[in-house]
Amino acid sequence: DVKVTQSSRYLVKRTGEKVFLECVQDMDHENMFWYRQDPGLGLRLIYFSYDVKMKEKGDIPEGYSVSREKKERFSLILESASTNQTSMYLCASVGGIQGRKLFFGSGTQLSVL
Amino acid sequence: SQQGEEDPQALSIQEGENATMNCSYKTSINNLQWYRQNSGRGLVHLILIRSNEREKHSGRLRVTLDTSKKSSSLLITASRAADTASYFCATDGDTGGFKTIFGAGTRLFVKA
Repeated sequence: DVKVTQSSRYLVKRTGEKVFLECVQDMDHENMFWYRQDPGLGLRLIYFSYDVKMKEKGDIPEGYSVSREKKERFSLILESASTNQTSMYLCASVGGIQGRKLFFGSGTQLSVL
Repeated sequence: SQQGEEDPQALSIQEGENATMNCSYKTSINNLQWYRQNSGRGLVHLILIRSNEREKHSGRLRVTLDTSKKSSSLLITASRAADTASYFCATDGDTGGFKTIFGAGTRLFVKA
């Protein structure tokens, strides 16, 4: 089975801190995604990557950046965390024989105080 | 931008009843998927229906797709308390690439 692992389940940071959210997948998928999930808004796409060192903006990229130095790892960076970035962050990957089926990590609940 | 919108936002039924959730979307698609999310966890893929398909079944799940109305429905038959979760539709546009857009979800509560 595909495994997508997010480094932290819960994270508490202070306003202005630089925050790194890490995601690793073990199925050699080309495509990886970062979503944030807020009550009533569903999942909104922040950034995605279709290859190493490639990235594309999603619908809400402001305040975020990403890094994909290795195929299996996709990092989301909050350059200067703000309280409105308090949210559940979900990483996903897709590719290979699984077609368009997204595999999700368990999520990181980030609180910015 | 939110491509899919689910209806209703929340649904409460008794165990054994059927649950129907609807999804509407805005642009042409290649396929539509349904996912399930247990509280505070990641999403799990349930079923995918392609744009040239009208109906698909998987166990107690039945999905229909009407591309002329840009809508889909997910039917869960003989629901169980363990079906309590949020359900999301997700669409891939027909412009290529792997950008998958999700709706806001339907929260289903099945009472034992």
